[in-house]
Amino acid sequence: GAVVSQHPSWVICKSGTSVKIECRSLDFQATTMFWYRQFPKQSLMLMATSNEGSKATYEQGVEKDKFLINHASLTLSTLTVTSAHPEDSSFYICSARGDLIAGGHNEQFFGPGTRLTVL
Amino acid sequence: GQNIDQPTEMTATEGAIVQINCTYQTSGFNGLFWYQQHAGEAPTFLSYNVLDGLEEKGRFSSFLSRSKGYSYLLLKELQMKDSASYLCAVSDSNYQLIWGAGTKLIIKP
Repeated sequence: GAVVSQHPSWVICKSGTSVKIECRSLDFQATTMFWYRQFPKQSLMLMATSNEGSKATYEQGVEKDKFLINHASLTLSTLTVTSAHPEDSSFYICSARGDLIAGGHNEQFFGPGTRLTVL
Repeated sequence: GQNIDQPTEMTATEGAIVQINCTYQTSGFNGLFWYQQHAGEAPTFLSYNVLDGLEEKGRFSSFLSRSKGYSYLLLKELQMKDSASYLCAVSDSNYQLIWGAGTKLIIKP
């Protein structure tokens, strides 16, 4: 399958600081990238969907001014958690999907995740 | 609304067979995915079904019935490393993945 990388894999920061997480598709062009958040023992929660070159679409309840998403190229999307607080501590996972092919797979390939701890 | 249902937790014995069920109600259907997620890790792709029937891949098989809104993941010859959460996800009419809450599978020796 396709490879998606995520950096950093873990980060600890002080409350009030901003943290940027990068998601890269290494061997395919990701037309669409997704950002998820997962709290311990809970299901994946989709935060936003981004298409290359356009603004991200945020899910209900996700603050777009707090979670800034940029998808400037077909291989890179970034999520910036601005003014992070302890309640933002979570496991953030990105996934990437190539062009949709009629009748074919449209699976998402996941990055390894970033564990964010805000003190 | 859109809904994916799967059991919260299942327990099975090493070497045995286990079937994890998933039922869904979504606006449109463009395929059903099964992912495996080990604790503290991101999900990894297991299988994809878009037509009715059984897809076999080694020890894992996945079945789909679109008319019943039903799928199952069958794991044979269970190994301790199969202890993980198994996520069912349906691609809706907008190719958005709708996720189930996951089934935690506990394998006992």
